Amino acid sequence: KAGVTQTPRYLIKTRGQQVTLSCSPISGHRSVSWYQQTPGQGLQFLFEYFSETQRNKGNFPGRFSGRQFSNSRSEMNVSTLELGDSALYLCASSLSLNGGWETQYFGPGTRLLVL
Amino acid sequence: AQSVTQPDIHITVSEGASLELRCNYSYGATPYLFWYVQSPGQGLQLLLKYFSGDTLVQGIKGFEAEFKRSQSSFNLRKPSVHWSDAAEYFCAVGSAGGTSYGKLTFGQGTILTVHP
Repeated sequence: KAGVTQTPRYLIKTRGQQVTLSCSPISGHRSVSWYQQTPGQGLQFLFEYFSETQRNKGNFPGRFSGRQFSNSRSEMNVSTLELGDSALYLCASSLSLNGGWETQYFGPGTRLLVL
Repeated sequence: AQSVTQPDIHITVSEGASLELRCNYSYGATPYLFWYVQSPGQGLQLLLKYFSGDTLVQGIKGFEAEFKRSQSSFNLRKPSVHWSDAAEYFCAVGSAGGTSYGKLTFGQGTILTVHP
């Protein structure tokens, strides 16, 4: 079974632009979570989607948004990019059979550099 | 709010030596506990997990971890380290329901260096 895939793997943007990152979960997985990883703040939770609904959101500004499609694929969008948004963005999927909590499996991440 | 502490930012061991990475968590109920490993530029790979039951759990690559409720700890161990184990290790805690859906809280990570 294929793992979690994220596209693109690397991205360079300039301040003020917006960016969309994509995540395809493991086949059959219904929950997708997003994390931001930076050297200073470590791994921080952005949001989680299940059945196209956002169930949980971390402490990030409204510039960070996401969505999930009917096939469980998810996208996250960052508008009006700032230098501090440079990070590795990780997506994780879990089976979540009954909507409950299960093990998360991570993708390779998208490395975003904001100039 | 749940939190995870990994007291050791950087650990250096010799190849073949034993290893213990420490993890302490703060959470009211029984947490879901995980150890992940990350190689440079890569995503996170699951080493092992604890949900309930036997407090000593076995994972991949010869790793094991022991859940000690009284000490709020979930330390990772390996009896003999290989050079390929050099990476960054993250302890994480999750909880069920409420406002915790799909949210893992991570420690700051421990960088493991292995000397030949």
